[in-house]
Amino acid sequence: DQQVKQNSPSLSVQEGRISILNCDYTNSMFDYFLWYKKYPAEGPTFLISISSIKDKNEDGRFTVFLNKSAKHLSLHIVPSQPGDSAVYFCAASELSDYKLSFGAGTTVTVRA
Amino acid sequence: EPEVTQTPSHQVTQMGQEVILRCVPISNHLYFYWYRQILGQKVEFLVSFYNNEISEKSEIFDDQFSVERPDGSNFTLKIRSTKLEDSAMYFCASRVTTGGYGYTFGSGTRLTVV
Repeated sequence: DQQVKQNSPSLSVQEGRISILNCDYTNSMFDYFLWYKKYPAEGPTFLISISSIKDKNEDGRFTVFLNKSAKHLSLHIVPSQPGDSAVYFCAASELSDYKLSFGAGTTVTVRA
Repeated sequence: EPEVTQTPSHQVTQMGQEVILRCVPISNHLYFYWYRQILGQKVEFLVSFYNNEISEKSEIFDDQFSVERPDGSNFTLKIRSTKLEDSAMYFCASRVTTGGYGYTFGSGTRLTVV
């Protein structure tokens, strides 16, 4: 299942700087997109989402951008903090079934 | 904050044995899911459950798998005859009925088949 792709397996960023995580999808039927954060030995934690009728959603330090024509979304974390070090998963679903298709994840390391 | 609780956190079983993974979803959620993540691979959808029946299942969810909601609180995943390739983290999740897309996931059960 390659419907959701995160092509960068890892990202290292200095504390205080911006982290940008990218995600591409192929299924044009997806109409809801989510980002999850995962620490070791824990389940994915919902972070932020965006519906296909929007192109931006912001929640505190986290902003998700959606470019439907390019089938691309990104997550911006500003400013990055050491506690942000985790694996970030992009996920997508159709309104019809709510089943999530996940990307492979990007491991973010925030350096002090 | 409400949680999805999974037990056990780690289960080791011999190949061919049956295992039951248990989950207690959030009490006012009505949609339940199982996902799994094989080490180094993506999180994959297994099955969704609503109104006491399976609403959708993936190709992975073959006849060896079953789900049940035996009472008002528990949601279980049974693997009848485990195979080595069933070794994975299994995540239970639940979702609000309307207006909420963000699932709440449990911490997972690490299943090791030896």
